[in-house]
Amino acid sequence: RKEVEQDPGPFNVPEGATVAFNCTYSNSASQSFFWYRQDCRKEPKLLMSVYSSGNEDGRFTAQLNRASQYISLLIRDSKLSDSATYLCAVFSGSARQLTFGSGTQLTVLP
Amino acid sequence: ETGVTQSPTHLIKTRGQQVTLRCSSQSGHNTVSWYQQALGQGPQFIFQYYREEENGRGNFPPRFSGLQFPNYSSELNVNALELDDSALYLCASTVGGQGDSPLHFGNGTRLTVT
Repeated sequence: RKEVEQDPGPFNVPEGATVAFNCTYSNSASQSFFWYRQDCRKEPKLLMSVYSSGNEDGRFTAQLNRASQYISLLIRDSKLSDSATYLCAVFSGSARQLTFGSGTQLTVLP
Repeated sequence: ETGVTQSPTHLIKTRGQQVTLRCSSQSGHNTVSWYQQALGQGPQFIFQYYREEENGRGNFPPRFSGLQFPNYSSELNVNALELDDSALYLCASTVGGQGDSPLHFGNGTRLTVT
């Protein structure tokens, strides 16, 4: 079993739709959680950190469920510019590394 | 703009050759991490350097090695290149050796092994 698993995708949604991605992690000692966005042939860029109480940044909402060991990302009112691959990442202090999921590809259609 | 710069941007090598990739960390950052991202996969942790010492390593063979210099810039060396080493190599720098801060990557080096 992979340490971090994401929805397989791809997700094709119309503009204005709401889309949600989930990501599960296996290490219960994981400490920090992040969502990254990656455009084609570019480096991943930090979208947002994920906090236990949940957090929002404009149209983006991230949530963490420690009991079930998953994090989620909700995108409201999707824009064409949201088309990208979304990667979840989990930090484990014992391993001193950030472990990424394989990513979920989102295409927002006009 | 992350302040992390990587060179070269693209590189083509032949199987069996050796390659050196370079990373200049953001000013004030003393920790550098390297990741390998194969096509269609998420980045995989190679290793991390803190104050010129390796202080974390992922599941990569010894032919992947690194250095960190007194100015905290870093090199990733790969010996005996294999076709599967073709990937985007990413570098990130942070402050402190724990690595729990969010990573901001440089623009990466795309290595193609033929």
